[in-house]
Amino acid sequence: GAVVSQHPSRVICKSGTSVKIECRSLDFQATTMFWYRQFPKQSLMLMATSNEGSKATYEQGVEKDKFLINHASLTLSTLTVTSAHPEDSSFYICSARSGRYTGELFFGEGSRLTVL
Amino acid sequence: GQQLNQSPQSMFIQEGEDVSMNCTSSSIFNTWLWYKQEPGEGPVLLIALYKAGELTSNGRLTAQFGITRKDSFLNISASIPSDVGIYFCAGQVRNNDMRFGAGTRLTVKP
Repeated sequence: GAVVSQHPSRVICKSGTSVKIECRSLDFQATTMFWYRQFPKQSLMLMATSNEGSKATYEQGVEKDKFLINHASLTLSTLTVTSAHPEDSSFYICSARSGRYTGELFFGEGSRLTVL
Repeated sequence: GQQLNQSPQSMFIQEGEDVSMNCTSSSIFNTWLWYKQEPGEGPVLLIALYKAGELTSNGRLTAQFGITRKDSFLNISASIPSDVGIYFCAGQVRNNDMRFGAGTRLTVKP
């Protein structure tokens, strides 16, 4: 199946710094990618939909100035957690769809962010 | 948005036993997907279902898209220790609108 790669898999940062997480579709072009946050023992919470060449669409309650999303190419979306605080510590996962509107959704390996 | 009710929340079974979990919704979905997630990793797609009534197998896994389009089940036969993980169902209504179940945490005792 299609491969989606996330980097870094783990990151530890100091409070107040910004962290960038990359999501790449390795063998297909993804006009749309998705970013999720997952708390321990809970399901995936959709944060935003990343659209190539246009602004991301954020879910209700997600601060777009806090979680900056850029989808500059058909194979790369980035999530930047700005001015990170300990409460931002979480597991962040991206996904990409193999077709424009249909098709299977493939996930990255996830990135664990720890803010000290 | 549409919510998916996934059950059971957790299962503790003996190696060799069969497993069944399901997802239901009050709304109709066009696509059902089943994923497995292991600790510290992203979900991995197990089975995708696109038509009502469709029954699809992937090794020891079998999943069905309910006739009403409001439910789906996943069965695992003859479980083994490496089946341990969290299984998520996901349903898609329309373009880019996919919802996830809360997950079923499976523990397999050798």
